[in-house]
Amino acid sequence: GENVEQHPSTLSVQEGDSAVIKCTYSDSASNYFPWYKQELGKRPQLIIDIRSNVGEKKDQRIAVTLNKTAKHFSLHITETQPEDSAVYFCAARSSGSARQLTFGSGTQLTVLP
Amino acid sequence: DAGVTQSPTHLIKTRGQHVTLRCSPISGHKSVSWYQQVLGQGPQFIFQYYEKEERGRGNFPDRFSARQFPNYSSELNVNALLLGDSALYLCASSLSAGSGNTIYFGEGSWLTVV
Repeated sequence: GENVEQHPSTLSVQEGDSAVIKCTYSDSASNYFPWYKQELGKRPQLIIDIRSNVGEKKDQRIAVTLNKTAKHFSLHITETQPEDSAVYFCAARSSGSARQLTFGSGTQLTVLP
Repeated sequence: DAGVTQSPTHLIKTRGQHVTLRCSPISGHKSVSWYQQVLGQGPQFIFQYYEKEERGRGNFPDRFSARQFPNYSSELNVNALLLGDSALYLCASSLSAGSGNTIYFGEGSWLTVV
């Protein structure tokens, strides 16, 4: 089955700096890659997603890049703010018979004021 | 994504008991999936249902079961609860079972087994 690895597990940045979180996946049939932000005690909230026919997608301060050949994708947050502090999860979903999301282990992002 | 509703939000059960968790998907969504999130980890897939049929099952014991109703709402049942079943149970909704569909999570049901 699919295996998703996520790095780093913790990340601290100064307010205004950029943050990058990286994920790799194992199943070449995966074609959908969402990113979720989870604040303490709350549900994972979709912040951006990308499909395998696209190499990059941006939404204001957030961008995701996908390299299908290398089977890795990354989340980029620019001009970080304290409210960006949360746990971020990447996930991958296969186009094969197993349609579930497989999640990475999460990155605790702390933005220092 | 605010449209996925789950109940109850919090509950405490004793080992050996059973629990039923409920989920209503976003209006118009026909696929419901269940995930278990243990503290400090990413969500783990339990079941997917589409048009009332099971479309996928994760690596969970037979104590876990689910169903989907004609109105696309869903129930997750867990029998013979163990301490290790303590977790946040998330329901996810999508338009269909297609692999490219955006998935939205509900607020979750926090289950504590004592």
